[in-house]
Amino acid sequence: AQSVTQLGSHVSVSEGALVLLRCNYSSSVPPYLFWYVQYPNQGLQLLLKYTSAATLVKGINGFEAEFKKSETSFHLTKPSAHMSDAAEYFCAVSSPYNQGGKLIFGQGTELSVKP
Amino acid sequence: EPEVTQTPSHQVTQMGQEVILRCVPISNHLYFYWYRQILGQKVEFLVSFYNNEISEKSEIFDDQFSVERPDGSNFTLKIRSTKLEDSAMYFCASSEARDRPYEQYFGPGTRLTVT
Repeated sequence: AQSVTQLGSHVSVSEGALVLLRCNYSSSVPPYLFWYVQYPNQGLQLLLKYTSAATLVKGINGFEAEFKKSETSFHLTKPSAHMSDAAEYFCAVSSPYNQGGKLIFGQGTELSVKP
Repeated sequence: EPEVTQTPSHQVTQMGQEVILRCVPISNHLYFYWYRQILGQKVEFLVSFYNNEISEKSEIFDDQFSVERPDGSNFTLKIRSTKLEDSAMYFCASSEARDRPYEQYFGPGTRLTVT
């Protein structure tokens, strides 16, 4: 079975500060890992994905995430927050052996950015 | 850029009534999914659909739920007799299903309120 835990349902940072959103996963098989972002009244948009090619994954809008197998973590970071980064962020896992690639999501972290 | 669309954006229905939630996936996509998010809880997988049949369904997807691709463009989720606990945001997603992991594109969601 697979599961995802996101630490912190709400994170607040100042504009220009480091963004760190935490995600830990549990999986009995080497996982695929994803970060999605949801802006108000919009669908979930893929930020980045880990597929075992490289442990440091770069995504859109300056975000990146590092896969750490020893820590079962896939934390999302951005060096300098922008007001437009305010949104809800979801970490998700899927199995390479699942035919349709269903996603198992964490509970989400709402990011606020203060001016 | 192509996107997944969902209608209606908000549906209010009385307990025991049937509802149909509609989705138009991206045109060349082959895999289709429904997820839901009860307020304050995780996004949960309901069902995946491929080649005109259900590929996988979760334990949530009981006999009250059904999916259909009635024509070449729409993908629907029907709830036969709604319960209060069906109140949630329902997300449709689609995937080209070409390279693993299958990247899923999400619609903006339909908020279903059962009274």
